[in-house]
Amino acid sequence: EADIYQTPRYLVIGTGKKITLECSQTMGHDKMYWYQQDPGMELHLIHYSYGVNSTEKGDLSSESTVSRIRTEHFPLTLESARPSHTSQYLCASENGETQYFGPGTRLLVL
Amino acid sequence: GNSVTQMEGPVTLSEEAFLTINCTYTATGYPSLFWYVQYPGEGLQLLLKATKADDKGSNKGFEATYRKETTSFHLEKGSVQVSDSAVYFCALRGGSNYKLTFGKGTLLTVNP
Repeated sequence: EADIYQTPRYLVIGTGKKITLECSQTMGHDKMYWYQQDPGMELHLIHYSYGVNSTEKGDLSSESTVSRIRTEHFPLTLESARPSHTSQYLCASENGETQYFGPGTRLLVL
Repeated sequence: GNSVTQMEGPVTLSEEAFLTINCTYTATGYPSLFWYVQYPGEGLQLLLKATKADDKGSNKGFEATYRKETTSFHLEKGSVQVSDSAVYFCALRGGSNYKLTFGKGTLLTVNP
C-alpha cells in the first residue's frame, strides 16, 4: 500500500490569493504527477516530475507552478487564484507502471 | 497519439447485476492497459492491469482481457455490490511515453 498525502483536503479562498497545495509521498518514488479533475470527472495532467529538480508541463495548460526540491515533496502553487481555478487537484507518484494517488484537494475560489 | 475511449455513463445497476464497461484504445506499439477506480471523496486507485495481448487482469471480482485484435480492454464483473459504486477509468501507457492516458471515466451506481 502506497502512502501519498495531500493537504489541505478542502480549501475555500478569495480571488487574488496565493496558495500552495502540498503533496508528499514516503515511498521514494522518482516520478510524480499533478492532475486537475473537472466536475465531469475527466482528468487532465498539468505537471509532472521525473526526479529532483525536474519539472515539466503537462497536457493541459495551467497557470500553476510546481517545484521538486526533495524526492518526497511536490508542491503546486497558484500565485493569484481565480474562480476558473476551482477544481479538484490530484497528486500521484509512480513505481514501475503503477500510479498511486493522493486523496485530492478540492479548491473553491470565490 | 495515444487515446482511450470508454463507455459514457452514468451506469445504474441493481445489486447482483452483471457489469460491463467498454474501453477501446488507440496507441502505437504494445501499450500496457489499466483500470483505475475512484470511490467518492478519494483519489484513484489501481484496480487491475494487463501488459500484453491476451493477458487477463483481475481483482476484487473484476476482470478485463487485453484484446489487441479489437484494441479493447472491457471491464466486467459478474455480480456487482453497492460498494462497487464509484467512477471507473480506463487508461493506457504506450511505447516510450511515460505518461498515462486516461479515458473520461464512467460513473457506476449500484442500488440495493
